[in-house]
Amino acid sequence: DIQMTQSPSSLSASAGDRVTITCRASQSISSYLNWYRQKPGKAPELLIYAASSLQSGVPSRFSGSGSGTDFTLTISSLQPEDFATYFCQQSYSTSWTFGQGTKVEIK
Amino acid sequence: EVQLVESGGGLVQPGRSLRLSCTTSGFTFGDYAMSWVRQAPGKGLEWVGFIRSKASRGVIEYAASVEGRFTISRDDSKSIAYLHMDSLKTEDTAVYYCTRENEWQRYYYYMDVWGKGTTVTVSS
Repeated sequence: DIQMTQSPSSLSASAGDRVTITCRASQSISSYLNWYRQKPGKAPELLIYAASSLQSGVPSRFSGSGSGTDFTLTISSLQPEDFATYFCQQSYSTSWTFGQGTKVEIK
Repeated sequence: EVQLVESGGGLVQPGRSLRLSCTTSGFTFGDYAMSWVRQAPGKGLEWVGFIRSKASRGVIEYAASVEGRFTISRDDSKSIAYLHMDSLKTEDTAVYYCTRENEWQRYYYYMDVWGKGTTVTVSS
């Protein structure tokens, strides 16, 4: 299975901050990379698919980049609802695998 | 409105079976692959498996951790996906989410709609 490693595992930030989360794959996955946000006690929701395509209805403060093994999720200006846990997921080969998550906390 | 609603969770003893259902509405169920994802208490997300649409030959794939014990199926006439779990272990304790898999440019798959989840607790 392809291993997905996110960094950092957690971070503290303030509303309005620019936040960057990294996801690294154990082998090249081209652009088959998705990002999800999970608010506490809720189901995950899709933010970005195919590494950089913004899901319909998702605010433009979210952006994704990268290809091959290294990917980035950027939140340009953190909003209160963005304090949550973020997961990357590869869909290059089954079985799909997720990163371990990055928890974004209030500073 | 697109909706996925999981049901069938509960407390079950190790070694027993349980069937989860995912009842859907608001979209043409038969056109989409459906996946199951689980989340153990305080842990991350783990993909369990998927079933593709009939147009994609209904291909089914499972995670190694559940292969041979779990079975995914679908009833397109009822717009319901199922996860049948046999020989349950304590480590199967988790919230189980049903998701819709969408596809972009034919090979980019992503889970664009999620249910609220149903809790399965395996304990004696």
